[in-house]
Amino acid sequence: AQSVTQLDSHVSVSEGTPVLLRCNYSSSYSPSLFWYVQHPNKGLQLLLKYTSAATLVKGINGFEAEFKKSETSFHLTKPSAHMSDAAEYFCVVAGGGNKLTFGTGTQLKVEL
Amino acid sequence: NAGVTQTPKFRILKIGQSMTLQCAQDMNHNYMYWYRQDPGMGLKLIYYSVGAGITDKGEVPNGYNVSRSTTEDFPLRLELAAPSQTSVYFCASSYTSGTVSYEQYFGPGTRLTVT
Repeated sequence: AQSVTQLDSHVSVSEGTPVLLRCNYSSSYSPSLFWYVQHPNKGLQLLLKYTSAATLVKGINGFEAEFKKSETSFHLTKPSAHMSDAAEYFCVVAGGGNKLTFGTGTQLKVEL
Repeated sequence: NAGVTQTPKFRILKIGQSMTLQCAQDMNHNYMYWYRQDPGMGLKLIYYSVGAGITDKGEVPNGYNVSRSTTEDFPLRLELAAPSQTSVYFCASSYTSGTVSYEQYFGPGTRLTVT
């Protein structure tokens, strides 16, 4: 069985400052990990994915995440936040049959 | 490609009514999924299908049924709607080969209210 814990339900940053959204995972084998973003009243869009290749994964819109097996973490970062980044972010781990287990989400607020 | 499409976008049901949420994908993906999303929660898997004619239960299947007669379509049926089924429903699809997990592509969602 696998699980995901998103450590912050809400994160607030100023525009132009770095973003850090934290995620820890639990998996009984080498996991596939994803970050999805959901803008208000929209579906989910894939930001980036880790599938046992490079541990530093680059995604769309300047986001990246680093897989750290020793810390069982997959934190999402961006050097400089933009107003358009305000959304809900989900950390996701894939299990057998490509069944996804979602974290409870982190709401990112970007202030001027 | 249209990707994953869902209809309707919104629906209000009375308790005890039934309805079918439609989902279609044009990416020739073998796997399809239904999720529900409740406020403050992540998505929970209702049912999934690994190919035409094959379906299986997810985490929260009670009160729902599915069928998969073609690769493209994966409808979700609510037989006796209950207020607890008020939620946003997302359909998704992916290509999966062996143990490799590829990303899932999501539809825009159906917002269902049961009163």
